[in-house]
Amino acid sequence: GAVVSQHPSRVICKSGTSVKIECRSLDFQATTMFWYRQFPKQSLMLMATSNEGSKATYEQGVEKDKFLINHASLTLSTLTVTSAHPEDSSFYICSARDVGRSYEQYFGPGTRLTVT
Amino acid sequence: AQSVAQPEDQVNVAEGNPLTVKCTYSVSGNPYLFWYVQYPNRGLQFLLKYITGDNLVKGSYGFEAEFNKSQTSFHLKKPSALVSDSALYFCAVRDGRNTPLVFGKGTRLSVIA
Repeated sequence: GAVVSQHPSRVICKSGTSVKIECRSLDFQATTMFWYRQFPKQSLMLMATSNEGSKATYEQGVEKDKFLINHASLTLSTLTVTSAHPEDSSFYICSARDVGRSYEQYFGPGTRLTVT
Repeated sequence: AQSVAQPEDQVNVAEGNPLTVKCTYSVSGNPYLFWYVQYPNRGLQFLLKYITGDNLVKGSYGFEAEFNKSQTSFHLKKPSALVSDSALYFCAVRDGRNTPLVFGKGTRLSVIA
């Protein structure tokens, strides 16, 4: 149980285009989901916290207009990287919190974004 | 705000020897502490956690960690390392139930045959 999926696992896009990454909790309801970004050989940096049905809370330094987060249902959150640039290339990992299991936080497998 | 420090970027150990990956933390309240492992181009795999109770926590794949409140540490240990344990290890902390996990910078473990 407590599985989080991400789609796609790997995406390559051209500069200036937008790309959407989906994060789903498969067997539990997640009122809160988190988006992390990981640069090569570095730690996971929290980008934003999204709560179902409300606006996401972004960490300092994260551009909310560039990284659009939508948490429309209890099992789905999306991250859209708008007008992508090569410096947006990174590994994006989502995480979902299961209130039913003592607020455990479960992680998706990650999405490797490459902007050319 | 909570924070985590992993003082070693890299830990090298011979197969069969014990290993330790260090972690210290800072929180304002009671810490919820976690260890995760990451293999190349993969997401995080949960190893173990400390919420309350016994200071020695046992987790997956033979790993364990000891919570030391006075030293604000939560070091990861394994009595006998395997080559397959080679990976990137992250310590993480949460300050209470409702806050997101904050991660250390990670420690790369290399187990040499």
